[in-house]
Amino acid sequence: EIVLTQSPGTLSLSPGERATLSCRASQTVSSSYVAWYQMKPGRAPRLLIYDASTTATGIPDRFSGSGSGTDFTLTINRLEPGDFAVYYCQQYGSSPLTFGPGTKVDIK
Amino acid sequence: QVQLQESGPGLLRPSETLSLICTVSGYSISSGYYWGWIRQSPGKGLEWIGTIFNNGATYYKPSLNSRVAMSVDTSRNQFSLKLSSLTAADTAIYYCARARGQWLHTFVDYWGHGILVTVSS
Repeated sequence: EIVLTQSPGTLSLSPGERATLSCRASQTVSSSYVAWYQMKPGRAPRLLIYDASTTATGIPDRFSGSGSGTDFTLTINRLEPGDFAVYYCQQYGSSPLTFGPGTKVDIK
Repeated sequence: QVQLQESGPGLLRPSETLSLICTVSGYSISSGYYWGWIRQSPGKGLEWIGTIFNNGATYYKPSLNSRVAMSVDTSRNQFSLKLSSLTAADTAIYYCARARGQWLHTFVDYWGHGILVTVSS
């Protein structure tokens, strides 16, 4: 099973700043099959990025993903108030499908 | 707009069987895609439970395989989850989801809001 580690656990930033979130896999994720999700309490989670770098439909271009192998990054430019949430990565390169523990982006 | 809604009991006792239904609107299950169940608990984080295709083909997480069953009802545009022999460790928010990609290599493009299931005597 591929174990995903996300860092930092919490990121405290101000609106307008850039957030850089890391997702590291315990082994190579085949085909860079990594997705990123945004989760907020009481709301359905939202797909942001899939295939490591493809932005999902309707997601602002402030969100971008990169990486390959074992290291993946989600970057959020010019943070807006609605971006403060918890972000999870998921690998779907091998079974069982697994998620990281999440990074909370909160307001500084 | 694709929407998914979980329904089922919120409180169960140990050893009982959980039965959840996901009702899909805005998209016909019989048209394709994969359908899955994911849960989130404080102790284990997010966990992909299993995936089902509209022809009934299933994949279950190996560690849950002996206790899980999923089914699809295309006439009602619903799919369901059964999880047996419940323990407190099964207490979690359960999400249903539409998944994309290839069989066994899927990510979620639409999630339900989730339903809290508590297992307690």
